[in-house]
Amino acid sequence: QVQLQESGPGLVKPSQTLSLTCTVSGDSISRSGYYWSWLRQYPGRGLEWLAYISYAGSTSYSPSLKNRLTVSVDTSKNRFSLQLSSVTAADTAMYYCARLETSGWYKVFDCWGQGTLVSVSS
Amino acid sequence: DIQMTQSPSSLSASIGDRIIITCRASQSVTRYLNWYQQKPGKAPKLLIYSTSSLQSGVPSRFSGSGSGTDFTLTLSSLQPEDFATYYCQQSYSSPYTFGQGTKLDIK
Repeated sequence: QVQLQESGPGLVKPSQTLSLTCTVSGDSISRSGYYWSWLRQYPGRGLEWLAYISYAGSTSYSPSLKNRLTVSVDTSKNRFSLQLSSVTAADTAMYYCARLETSGWYKVFDCWGQGTLVSVSS
Repeated sequence: DIQMTQSPSSLSASIGDRIIITCRASQSVTRYLNWYQQKPGKAPKLLIYSTSSLQSGVPSRFSGSGSGTDFTLTLSSLQPEDFATYYCQQSYSSPYTFGQGTKLDIK
């Protein structure tokens, strides 16, 4: 059974870069039909999709964050990463990595990491 | 971006009740509509994908319907473990957007 686990600092200073890694176990990140995604959830509910990347490096970003976001993949270590630059307090959230399964008639976030809370504060 | 609006935002119900949560998209998402359940301190869990397909392991008391812009999630007979927050999500076009959530609690 595939499992995803986020890792990274829980506290980032304003204007700095937030860096997170998601390690995938129980399956190969190189399987076709899957995209490896980042999402975040603000205190009080709101869920926001941020970006995804394929094992081959094909990416898609949320337009609202595209200028600050970079995602990358390391197939040799079965993991993928997120970098969000110039963070502010508004970037304080629970960050999740998730697997986006795609087919001709559906796209779903079918497996999620447990999440990692990132606070932006000086 | 496609805006997703759920109603109600919160709902109180009793064990055994049948409840319906609705989700409306700001434009057609055809049938690219998914539902997730989230319990406190946990990640969202996929319940239903492509409007009405039940994810493996999800009890049959959960069902989904709709198309275009209007969708529903129905729980036919509430069980104690069903009290949680539910989210709809469209995967028709990027950016993939979520509803604001419906919190279901015990009456």
